[in-house]
Amino acid sequence: LAKTTQPISMDSYEGQEVNITCSHNNIATNDYITWYQQFPSQGPRFIIQGYKTKVTNEVASLFIPADRKSSTLSLPRVSLSDTAVYYCLVGDPLGFQKLVFGTGTRLLVSP
Amino acid sequence: DVKVTQSSRYLVKRTGEKVFLECVQDMDHENMFWYRQDPGLGLRLIYFSYDVKMKEKGDIPEGYSVSREKKERFSLILESASTNQTSMYLCASRSWAGGEPDTQYFGPGTRLTVL
Repeated sequence: LAKTTQPISMDSYEGQEVNITCSHNNIATNDYITWYQQFPSQGPRFIIQGYKTKVTNEVASLFIPADRKSSTLSLPRVSLSDTAVYYCLVGDPLGFQKLVFGTGTRLLVSP
Repeated sequence: DVKVTQSSRYLVKRTGEKVFLECVQDMDHENMFWYRQDPGLGLRLIYFSYDVKMKEKGDIPEGYSVSREKKERFSLILESASTNQTSMYLCASRSWAGGEPDTQYFGPGTRLTVL
């Protein structure tokens, strides 16, 4: 199983773009990269998933370089409500396997 | 919307008690998971089930067992609760559709305190 490494915490201000990078050096060919968001006292919530290059949805963008050994979650113009813990996971969605959540990145957005 | 519900938000039990945590999902998902979450440790997988009556150990199965008699319900059992099992317990479900985004849908969590 690919292990992921993320910064423990990040600080930002409202309106700024936030980029959270995740390292996954031993990612396998069939693995996808998935990001989850968790607010206090709630379960994690799916944000975005990708395999290579760039993926964008209404919430975030995910940038994946050609070697796929890292990925960057980009949150445009964050607000106070984006304060949460963000988890990067790597795994194969086409086959059943357990996914390993790391300790995540705690993002604090200030006014 | 997918809904994953857990039987209790807060639970207080005594050491040695048998504890049942129930999880129900309404989306006909094949896969279901039990995690525990502790400060500084992130989410750790206890058990998962890829279909009815199937179960697999996760990273920290000791002291726990599970039951999946119906597709929509996945139960976590603490045979003899201990204080080190005080934690937030999260249930999740996932569709094994193949080719679909690998999205796990989480319940709200049960905060269990063992005294």
